[in-house]
Amino acid sequence: NAGVTQTPKFQVLKTGQSMTLQCAQDMNHEYMSWYRQDPGMGLRLIHYSVGAGITDQGEVPNGYNVSRSTTEDFPLRLLSAAPSQTSVYFCASSYSGLAGELFFGEGSRLTVL
Amino acid sequence: KQEVTQIPAALSVPEGENLVLNCSFTDSAIYNLQWFRQDPGKGLTSLLLIQSSQREQTSGRLNASLDKSSGRSTLYIAASQPGDSATYLCAVGGANSKLTFGKGITLSVRP
Repeated sequence: NAGVTQTPKFQVLKTGQSMTLQCAQDMNHEYMSWYRQDPGMGLRLIHYSVGAGITDQGEVPNGYNVSRSTTEDFPLRLLSAAPSQTSVYFCASSYSGLAGELFFGEGSRLTVL
Repeated sequence: KQEVTQIPAALSVPEGENLVLNCSFTDSAIYNLQWFRQDPGKGLTSLLLIQSSQREQTSGRLNASLDKSSGRSTLYIAASQPGDSATYLCAVGGANSKLTFGKGITLSVRP
């Protein structure tokens, strides 16, 4: 099994550009979430989903959009990139809830100039 | 609002030493507590998950304990090895079913 796959691993954007970070899992997990990791801040929840067709906001949702059309995929869209969105983004999935045992992707490092 | 603290931020020990990593949290009304390992440039790997009704969990050389009343958890690593070098993060699951993460402890085990 591949687990949780994130693409791209690295991306450089200019301010105002939009892009989508892809996340796919092959474990049939209902719960999926996006976190960002910044130095000195710990991981913070951006958006999450408890099943196909159901999404909700986390702690830091502004500037991001998500959708969940299938169980496997949970893309994160940056609508108009800002330097404050420079970060490492992690997608995670779980079979037992948002606070259950989480399986993480390897991360997507985004730089916004 | 739940706050999770991990002190110190970094730790260096010689190989073979038994060590304890600490995690403290401010709100004792938790659902569970989870310890993760993160290698440089990689994602997080769940090591141990302790439900709020449990006192400890063990996996190999790792043992995690939970004391809700004092707002503390410890991760005990026995007979440390250079391969244990990584960042260890503690995350607390709250009544809202979401995780609050600490900032992590970067461990270096010297050969």
